Amino acid sequence: EIVLTQSPGTLSLSPGERATLSCRASQSVSSDYVAWHQQKPGQAPKLLIYGASSRATGIPDRFSGSGSGTDFTLTISRLEPEDFAVYYCQQYGSSPFTFGPGTKVDIK
Amino acid sequence: QVQLVESGGGLVKPGGSLRLSCAASGFAFSDYYMTWIRQAPGKGLEWVSYISGYGNTIDYADSVKGRFTISRDNAKNSLYLQMDSLRADDTAVYYCARGRWAVYWGLGTLVTVSS
Repeated sequence: EIVLTQSPGTLSLSPGERATLSCRASQSVSSDYVAWHQQKPGQAPKLLIYGASSRATGIPDRFSGSGSGTDFTLTISRLEPEDFAVYYCQQYGSSPFTFGPGTKVDIK
Repeated sequence: QVQLVESGGGLVKPGGSLRLSCAASGFAFSDYYMTWIRQAPGKGLEWVSYISGYGNTIDYADSVKGRFTISRDNAKNSLYLQMDSLRADDTAVYYCARGRWAVYWGLGTLVTVSS
């Protein structure tokens, strides 16, 4: 089973700042099959990025994903008020598919 | 538009069973893998199981293997999760999602396992 580690656990930033979230896998993720999901309190998660770097439909271009192998990054170029949420990475390259523990982005 | 609506959650005693359903609409259901994902109260996301479009590929998380059974009925555009031998640590909101990387999510259904 691939174990995903996300850092930091909490990121405290101000609107307009850049957010950089890390996701590290315990072994290489096949075909860079990594997704990022955003979850706001009381809501279901929403897909942001798949295939490590492809934005899902309707996702603003301030969200970008990068990385390969075992190290992946989600970058939010300029935080908007609605971006403060918890972000989860997920690998779907080898079963069982797994999620990271999440990074909470909160307002500084 | 794509819609996924889960149902069947509720309160069940340890050792009991429950069957969750997910009604899908707005897309060609049999063309897609479907996935169950759960979230314990105040915790992160946990992948539970997936099934291929015609049900020939299935897998489970180790935590539910041997107790949960995923299935689908393409004629009814429905996904199911049969949960047996339930334990307190199965308490969670259960989401169904389209695809292996969860492109679309339902709103979830709460399962509480407690005596």
